[in-house]
Amino acid sequence: QSALTQPPSVSGSPGQSVTISCTGTSNDVGTYNRVSWYKQPPGTAPKLMIYEVSNRPSGVPDRFSGSKSGNTASLTISGLQAEDEAEYYCSSHTSSNTYVFGTGTKVTVL
Amino acid sequence: EVQLVESGGGLVQPGGSLRLSCAASGFTFSTYWMGWVRQAPGQGLEWVAFIKPDGSESGYLDSVRGRFTISRDNAKTSLYLQLNSLRVEDTAVYFCARFGVAYGVDVWGQGTTATVSS
Repeated sequence: QSALTQPPSVSGSPGQSVTISCTGTSNDVGTYNRVSWYKQPPGTAPKLMIYEVSNRPSGVPDRFSGSKSGNTASLTISGLQAEDEAEYYCSSHTSSNTYVFGTGTKVTVL
Repeated sequence: EVQLVESGGGLVQPGGSLRLSCAASGFTFSTYWMGWVRQAPGQGLEWVAFIKPDGSESGYLDSVRGRFTISRDNAKTSLYLQLNSLRVEDTAVYFCARFGVAYGVDVWGQGTTATVSS
C-alpha cells in the first residue's frame, strides 16, 4: 500500500498550463481506469475534480483534464487561474481491493 | 442537499479507543460504498477503510487492520469507525467519504479530529 508518486510542487503564471504526474504500478494505476484527482485548498475538505481517469463531475471547469499512459496518470490545468492554487492529490483503486492516494502536489500560481 | 457529518473525535491516550460516526443525508445511502480517509497534521491524504453498500465486505489500510473496524447501519444512514489500540501516529483529521463512480470520492464530510497523546 505505497502511496502513488507525485511531484511535490508545480507552478505557472496565469493563463499558462501545468501538468501533474501520478505514478503507480501495474496493481493500481496501470490496470484500472479507477484514477481520480482531488483539489484541497488549505483547511478545507478535498473536492473531486476528475474521476475514471478523464471524466469531470458537474461544475468542474473544462480547464481541468485527465489522462493516463501505462502506470502514470496526469492532470492538466489549462489557462491557470489564481483560484487554482491548492494541493492536488491523485488516487486509485487497487487490485487487492484497497485504495491509495498520491503524495500530493502543491500548485502555485506565480 | 447531499451531506456527510462526522462526530466522535477527541483526545485519547495511547492504547485508548474512540468511535467515530458519520451521519449521511440527501442520497440513497444503502447503494454506495462508504469509507474513511485521514490526514495527519501537515501531511497528505491517507485512505483508512471502506465498506460495501450491504456491509458484507470491507477493506483496510495495512497499518490499521486488526485495530480499526468499519461498520454501517443503512436503516440509520450512518457509517462508523471503531478505533482501538490507538497510537500517536493515528492522530489526524478523519473524513467520512462517499465512493461514487469508479471509486472517486464525490462527497466528503468536514472531518473530525482524533488526537492521541499522553
